[in-house]
Amino acid sequence: EAQVTQNPRYLITVTGKKLTVTCSQNMNHEYMSWYRQDPGLGLRQIYYSMNVEVTDKGDVPEGYKVSRKEKRNFPLILESPSPNQTSLYFCASSSLSGGPYNEQFFGPGTRLTVL
Amino acid sequence: QKEVEQDPGPLSVPEGAIVSLNCTYSNSAFQYFMWYRQYSRKGPELLMYTYSSGNKEDGRFTAQVDKSSKYISLFIRDSQPSDSATYLCAMSADDSWGKLQFGAGTQVVVTP
Repeated sequence: EAQVTQNPRYLITVTGKKLTVTCSQNMNHEYMSWYRQDPGLGLRQIYYSMNVEVTDKGDVPEGYKVSRKEKRNFPLILESPSPNQTSLYFCASSSLSGGPYNEQFFGPGTRLTVL
Repeated sequence: QKEVEQDPGPLSVPEGAIVSLNCTYSNSAFQYFMWYRQYSRKGPELLMYTYSSGNKEDGRFTAQVDKSSKYISLFIRDSQPSDSATYLCAMSADDSWGKLQFGAGTQVVVTP
């Protein structure tokens, strides 16, 4: 089944404790992206990647790191999480063939709480 | 000020009515316009996309873009309870189309 998977789905952690949220897709997509969703603010893009070893900042990259060493994986790293990073996080991927019209397939989301 | 503005609703309509949703934006470089639907506790899914100005129709859904007014719309005809969801607009520019700007999303409730 074609899908985007995220782990963990739920995470409660404390301020300053480094964490990684994994994202993996099995559709051979070139493009991958991370978003956070907060009430009243909609989806805000954190980082995106057009291909392996190519990453760019989205709107809210501060406090986050990403890497794209393999095509299928795009982990999101919080080196020193803070309470304002409490949010619902989505990973998404899409093919680049046909340009920007390709649908982004979203993962199920990771609900992160930083105490 | 946010680059993309969208009324969060909720917008409540009776079954069979036309749902009208819209977004305004400030960045004149935006060329790609998309509408996503998000059900509760799920990730968004693409509904429709358009490039530059014009209309696009797909079944019960019609998307319109008015670049002169920096205004996009989504219409849902013959609305069904299954259309109850949050609808998000998204847009990007030609030279950085991988960087998407989303609206806050409008919650729609279609009552039987």
